[in-house]
Amino acid sequence: DAGITQSPRHKVTETGTPVTLRCHQTENHRYMYWYRQDPGHGLRLIHYSYGVKDTDKGEVSDGYSVSRSKTEDFLLTLESATSSQTSVYFCAISDKAASGNTIYFGEGSWLTVV
Amino acid sequence: DQQVKQNSPSLSVQEGRISILNCDYTNSMFDYFLWYKKYPAEGPTFLISISSIKDKNEDGRFTVFLNKSAKHLSLHIVPSQPGDSAVYFCAARLISSGSARQLTFGSGTQLTVLP
Repeated sequence: DAGITQSPRHKVTETGTPVTLRCHQTENHRYMYWYRQDPGHGLRLIHYSYGVKDTDKGEVSDGYSVSRSKTEDFLLTLESATSSQTSVYFCAISDKAASGNTIYFGEGSWLTVV
Repeated sequence: DQQVKQNSPSLSVQEGRISILNCDYTNSMFDYFLWYKKYPAEGPTFLISISSIKDKNEDGRFTVFLNKSAKHLSLHIVPSQPGDSAVYFCAARLISSGSARQLTFGSGTQLTVLP
């Protein structure tokens, strides 16, 4: 198993509250990603990072922010959670920008916004 | 507008028979295609891939076929086993998407292999 730990694994929160999901890796990979998985949509990229303090937006970045102050940690923050952000969130890492088969996923974080 | 489409949300196959999962794409700038497998409560894991310069790639029981003119790829599993029951995602990579190449995923197909 790739050394990826997501926390929390499950969370229920109220609309309007801030939420932070953490992704921690022990592989020293340069690239880190946050995806969300929703029925009928597959996996959609929220934000990604290509190095410490280097991040960029993905396909569905509205309402989310990220930070990467250390190689091993990539944080996803929902500033004010909404019900539409109820989803399963997957962190992923890769050591090569150009090679899709070296993208490894974490086990997921289930977030419910009520 | 989804650039990668998996039009069959589910597929049931008898153990020992062939499973064929299909994927269509619209962007001709995709240069690499991948299949990921996902079990419940786990993250997706890489299964097999194919470059746009090839039309077939085989790995054991798994074969991926690419038809560029039709913008279609398929994953064949022969013979299918109950342990293959999972959600299968098709993904495509753009030739150039900045400093970190991103994958575009289809919506997934739930494969159920019946014993």
